[in-house]
Amino acid sequence: GAGVSQSPSNKVTEKGKDVELRCDPISGHTALYWYRQSLGQGLEFLIYFQGNSAPDKSGLPSDRFSAERTGGSVSTLTIQRTQQEDSAVYLCASSLFLTEAFFGQGTRLTVV
Amino acid sequence: GNSVTQMEGPVTLSEEAFLTINCTYTATGYPSLFWYVQYPGEGLQLLLKATKADDKGSNKGFEATYRKETTSFHLEKGSVQVSDSAVYFCALSPNNAGNMLTFGGGTRLMVKP
Repeated sequence: GAGVSQSPSNKVTEKGKDVELRCDPISGHTALYWYRQSLGQGLEFLIYFQGNSAPDKSGLPSDRFSAERTGGSVSTLTIQRTQQEDSAVYLCASSLFLTEAFFGQGTRLTVV
Repeated sequence: GNSVTQMEGPVTLSEEAFLTINCTYTATGYPSLFWYVQYPGEGLQLLLKATKADDKGSNKGFEATYRKETTSFHLEKGSVQVSDSAVYFCALSPNNAGNMLTFGGGTRLMVKP
């Protein structure tokens, strides 16, 4: 597609349930990033994939969060046993290395 | 660790007024500096960037100069328009860290006709 696509755009889940958020990056982009935007914490880096290298997971807030990137393209961010503090907008971005990052519209996650 | 501090909003201006949004940073080495903008209902977009000291980034009438001596990257525009109403984020990326960005808290700008 023309831009970074994220799905779903909105997700409401019950506390304790697992959720999966999907990101389709721009075709050919080797780098993929996940960020979280919340009222209390602002915009936070979560995880970074670059080509076939091991991902940089330094921003993941707890071991309930994980992400994978299959075939160097689509990425899935999984949150296990969701908590109310996980409510936020989850943003995905992709780029060629060291060039401009393009962001998706985000997935708004609400944990009730 | 790295951090970015920007002025809290909202900033409310009349059309054609001069805009300054202050941004200061803390980082080791020589980070790249960015301004991103989020228009209502849209995703984050890169507005401008600078990769080394004294560089000036510019786009759509906005400018920011990388000042290493004051660790600042203030955003300026000489004459704002209603269409500039948005949330502006200052950010940094450590040298050679791609787009692993540390963001400031964001500043909401409202421009009145």
